[in-house]
Amino acid sequence: DGGITQSPKYLFRKEGQNVTLSCEQNLNHDAMYWYRQDPGQGLRLIYYSQIVNDFQKGDIAEGYSVSREKKESFPLTVTSAQKNPTAFYLCASSPSGLAGGRSYEQYFGPGTRLTVT
Amino acid sequence: GQSLEQPSEVTAVEGAIVQINCTYQTSGFYGLSWYQQHDGGAPTFLSYNALDGLEETGRFSSFLSRSDSYGYLLLQELQMKDSASYFCAVLIYNQGGKLIFGQGTELSVKP
Repeated sequence: DGGITQSPKYLFRKEGQNVTLSCEQNLNHDAMYWYRQDPGQGLRLIYYSQIVNDFQKGDIAEGYSVSREKKESFPLTVTSAQKNPTAFYLCASSPSGLAGGRSYEQYFGPGTRLTVT
Repeated sequence: GQSLEQPSEVTAVEGAIVQINCTYQTSGFYGLSWYQQHDGGAPTFLSYNALDGLEETGRFSSFLSRSDSYGYLLLQELQMKDSASYFCAVLIYNQGGKLIFGQGTELSVKP
């Protein structure tokens, strides 16, 4: 079955620690995205990647970092510089990262709920 | 900048029809998408309007009017399982395939 996996589902960390969230897809999609969702809020874009070895900052990139070394994988690191890291993190992919392609149709993973205390 | 506005909550009864509106302010965009998210789950894609007019997909329809900066999602023959949050999102120009999401509308379907 094709899809997107995120692990772990729940993650607990102490303040001051960096933490890396995993995202893997086997849909053969070119583009991948990371979003943050806070309670009762919409999705805010953290980083996105239209192709391997390339990525762009989204609207709230400060305190986060990513890499895209393989087409299937787009890990997100939440660094200690992120002021309020507790949130629900969603990874997504789409067949094309280009606005003229099908980037309007994104497939989401089940999410990782991060709690930092 | 870009912004989208949706009602925060809508309530309807099973079997009824409900319309969820989305108004937007954006300098340029390719189209308007709609996503459904059940509580604690992953958003799933519902529909996309690249052109003005109505797109129908089963019980769900979506509408876009660029001249009015307005779109809506229409859900017919409501079922209890339609209780979820619904997000509109615009696919904007000049930054690749970037979606900007609204805050979401929580739909409650009552028996």
